[in-house]
Amino acid sequence: EAGVAQSPRYKIIEKRQSVAFWCNPISGHATLYWYQQILGQGPKLLIQFQNNGVVDDSQLPKDRFSAERLKGVDSTLKIQPAKLEDSAVYLCASSSSGADTQYFGPGTRLTVL
Amino acid sequence: GENVEQHPSTLSVQEGDSAVIKCTYSDSASNYFPWYKQELGKRPQLIIDIRSNVGEKKDQRIAVTLNKTAKHFSLHITETQPEDSAVYFCAASRRQGAQKLVFGQGTRLTINP
Repeated sequence: EAGVAQSPRYKIIEKRQSVAFWCNPISGHATLYWYQQILGQGPKLLIQFQNNGVVDDSQLPKDRFSAERLKGVDSTLKIQPAKLEDSAVYLCASSSSGADTQYFGPGTRLTVL
Repeated sequence: GENVEQHPSTLSVQEGDSAVIKCTYSDSASNYFPWYKQELGKRPQLIIDIRSNVGEKKDQRIAVTLNKTAKHFSLHITETQPEDSAVYFCAASRRQGAQKLVFGQGTRLTINP
């Protein structure tokens, strides 16, 4: 089966600019996650969707980050405006409804200058 | 909320020897414990997981043990090979409700030929 797809793979922007990342989960996976992985650390959950509803966004900096999953399939994560500390790899993951195994995409490496 | 501590942060072993990585967690309600392997610039890949109804699970050269009373779990890799060199992350989550994975800080494992 095809894995989780993400684009772009790399993005370089200047601080205060905006950026958007796209994720396409494994076909049929109802649950989608966005993680932030800062260099040298483990991934940290930003937001979790079940179909097109938000299950957990407690660690999403809502003043600058937003995410949507309008039709319960693809998702976009946006940062506006970006800060230097947002430099990280943004990982998308998905899982089947009721299953605990999460499958990760290749990530988008964001560099904020 | 859940907190996962992982040790050591770096580990270097001779090829053919065993490697052990340990994690502790704080939320007694956590009952799903996966281990991910992440090679440089690549996505985290699930290598083994354990659920709280078992104490040990093996898959060829990899094993995981769980002590729910002490709230710790460990990854054991035997007969290590150069391709085992990577960063390993432990994680913990509850299987009901929002299945939020909380990751440890990671262990960089280096296998010396």
